[in-house]
Amino acid sequence: DAGVIQSPRHEVTEMGQEVTLRCKPISGHDYLFWYRQTMMRGLELLIYFNNNVPIDDSGMPEDRFSAKMPNASFSTLKIQPSEPRDSAVYFCASSFTGANVLTFGAGSRLTVL
Amino acid sequence: GESVGLHLPTLSVQEGDNSIINCAYSNSASDYFIWYKQESGKGPQFIIDIRSNMDKRQGQRVTVLLNKTVKHLSLQIAATQPGDSAVYFCAENGGKLQFGAGTQVVVTP
Repeated sequence: DAGVIQSPRHEVTEMGQEVTLRCKPISGHDYLFWYRQTMMRGLELLIYFNNNVPIDDSGMPEDRFSAKMPNASFSTLKIQPSEPRDSAVYFCASSFTGANVLTFGAGSRLTVL
Repeated sequence: GESVGLHLPTLSVQEGDNSIINCAYSNSASDYFIWYKQESGKGPQFIIDIRSNMDKRQGQRVTVLLNKTVKHLSLQIAATQPGDSAVYFCAENGGKLQFGAGTQVVVTP
């Protein structure tokens, strides 16, 4: 398996633009997580899904953020409109039921100017 | 709320020496702990885990120690190598996986 695949690896955009980050979890994993990492706040859990259903989105900062998982092999995290304070590395991770260990993707580094 | 507490200290270790990375947690309900390693430009990578019914677990060159009395977790790396340079995170699971702030380990020749 190629692991958790995220795209794009890097994105630079201007304030106000829409940003869409994508994730392909490991095949067979039924949990998917979106994390945000900044120097100030470390790794923060934004939202996680189980069997494509959002379970806990309490970490989503505000209404500008949304996440979907239309099927077991694909998820998106969307920011609209983006702001400079959204600049961070966004990680997707997946795991399967009964396992506590998350496998992380390489991350998407977002810079909002 | 309760959280894993870590500053972001830097641990400088000479190649070949042993490293000890410490982590204090505050959620007494946590029953599972994990150490992750994050190299520059990469996502966190699982190193070793331990359940709360254990106080020690060994892997390849790594040992995790858990002291539930004082809510303390440590990661020991034997014979530290240049490839061990990274940020190390402890994480606890008390219903939801929470990460500490991380410790930067720098291996010097």
